[in-house]
Amino acid sequence: QSALTQPASVSGSPGQSITISCTGTSSDVGSYNLVSWYQQHPGKAPKLMIYEVSKRPSGVSNRFSGSKSGNTASLTISGLQAEDEADYYCCSYAGSSSYVVFGGGTKLTVL
Amino acid sequence: EVQLVESGGGLVQPGRSLRLSCAASGFTFDDYAMHWVRQAPGKGLEWVSGISWNSGSIGYADSVKGRFTISRDNAKNSLYLQMNSLRAEDTALYYCAKDKGIEQEGAFDIWGQGTMVTVSS
Repeated sequence: QSALTQPASVSGSPGQSITISCTGTSSDVGSYNLVSWYQQHPGKAPKLMIYEVSKRPSGVSNRFSGSKSGNTASLTISGLQAEDEADYYCCSYAGSSSYVVFGGGTKLTVL
Repeated sequence: EVQLVESGGGLVQPGRSLRLSCAASGFTFDDYAMHWVRQAPGKGLEWVSGISWNSGSIGYADSVKGRFTISRDNAKNSLYLQMNSLRAEDTALYYCAKDKGIEQEGAFDIWGQGTMVTVSS
C-alpha cells in the first residue's frame, strides 16, 4: 500500500487557476475511476470536493474540477479565492486487497 | 442532520488496547460502507480500515493488519475500531467516515470531528 504522490505545495494568485497532480500506479489510479479529492482547513475535518474522478458533490463550487489520464489524476481550481487556501488530498480505490490509498497531501497557498 | 460522532480516544500505554466508537445519525446507516481514517499530528491522512454495509467485506491498512479490528452494529447505527498492541506510531486523530457507496470505494462524503489517540508511556 504505497501512498499516491502529490506535490508538497502549490501556490497561485487570486483569480488564477492551479492544478494539483496525484500519481499512482496501474493498481490504483490507473485501474479504477474511483479517485476522490479532499480539502482540509487547519483544525477541521476533511471535506469531499471531487469523487469518481470528476463528479462534484452538491454544494461544491464548479471552480473545482477533476480529471484523470493513465495513472495520474488531477484537481484543478479555477478563479482562486483566499478561502481555497488549505491542504488537499487525493484518494483512490486500490482493489479488494488494499482497498483505499491516500496521497501525501498538497498545501495550497493563495498569494 | 447527518452526523458522525466519535468517542473512546485517550492516552494509553504502548502494548495496551483501546476501542473507538462512532455513532451515526441522519442517514440510513446500513446503506453505506464505513471507514476509519487517521491523521498523525502535523501529518497527512491515512486510511486505516473499512467495512461494507453488511460487514461482508473488510479491509485494513498494512500498518494495522493483525492488530486492529473493525466492526459495525447496524441496529445501533454504530461503527467500532478495536485497537490492540498499540504503538507510539498509532498516535493520531482518528476520523470515522461514511462512504458514498455500499461497498468500500474511498469516497468519504461525511466525516466526524475525530477522536484523539495518544500512545505513550
